[in-house]
Amino acid sequence: QVQLQESGPGLVKPSETLSLTCTVSGGSISTYYWSWIRQPPGKGLEWIGYIHYSGSTNYNPSLKGRVTISLDTSKNDFSLRLTSVTTADTAVYYCARVRNGFWAAYDNWGQGTLVTVSS
Amino acid sequence: DIQMTQSPSSVSASVGDRVTITCRASQDISYWLAWYQQKPGEAPKLLIYGASTLQTGVPLRFSGSGSGTDFTLTISSLQPEDFATYYCQQTDSFPQEITFGQGTRLEIK
Repeated sequence: QVQLQESGPGLVKPSETLSLTCTVSGGSISTYYWSWIRQPPGKGLEWIGYIHYSGSTNYNPSLKGRVTISLDTSKNDFSLRLTSVTTADTAVYYCARVRNGFWAAYDNWGQGTLVTVSS
Repeated sequence: DIQMTQSPSSVSASVGDRVTITCRASQDISYWLAWYQQKPGEAPKLLIYGASTLQTGVPLRFSGSGSGTDFTLTISSLQPEDFATYYCQQTDSFPQEITFGQGTRLEIK
């Protein structure tokens, strides 16, 4: 049973960089696509981006070049980096998996981690 | 980018009721549509993918239909554990930008 777990600071100051890691257990990260999604308090879901196990990435254009997703096969994890954060980046951040044969749906999610942007 | 519009934004219903939630895409997405259920404080849970395929373990009272631009999620007989927020998601653009609907909150009447 594959499990995903987000980790990282829960508080980030404005203009600084948000960094989160998603650790994958129970299966190899060297398959499928992996993704970050966020949800501001009381609001809906926003796709941040994907990384394929080959290392190729795609990002939400609305994040205007602030986002980087990377993957470490030796640690079986993948990471999110979001620069120049503002209070609008306060959200619960989820990592998730896209599995073959599921019409690109997210079949497995982490529990989510709240990141607050505040001075 | 493809816009997804759900209706209604919220609905009140009673245990045993039949409920239908609609999702409309701004362009043809074929069957590239998924539905998720989210309860407070929890991650979304995949219910349906490919517009109508039920994820393993999801009760048969949930069903999905539609293609192209118009899709529906139906719960045939509401159970207490079904009160939650439901999101549709288009994956036609995968692995480019995918988008979610704004959500439908299902409340107890």
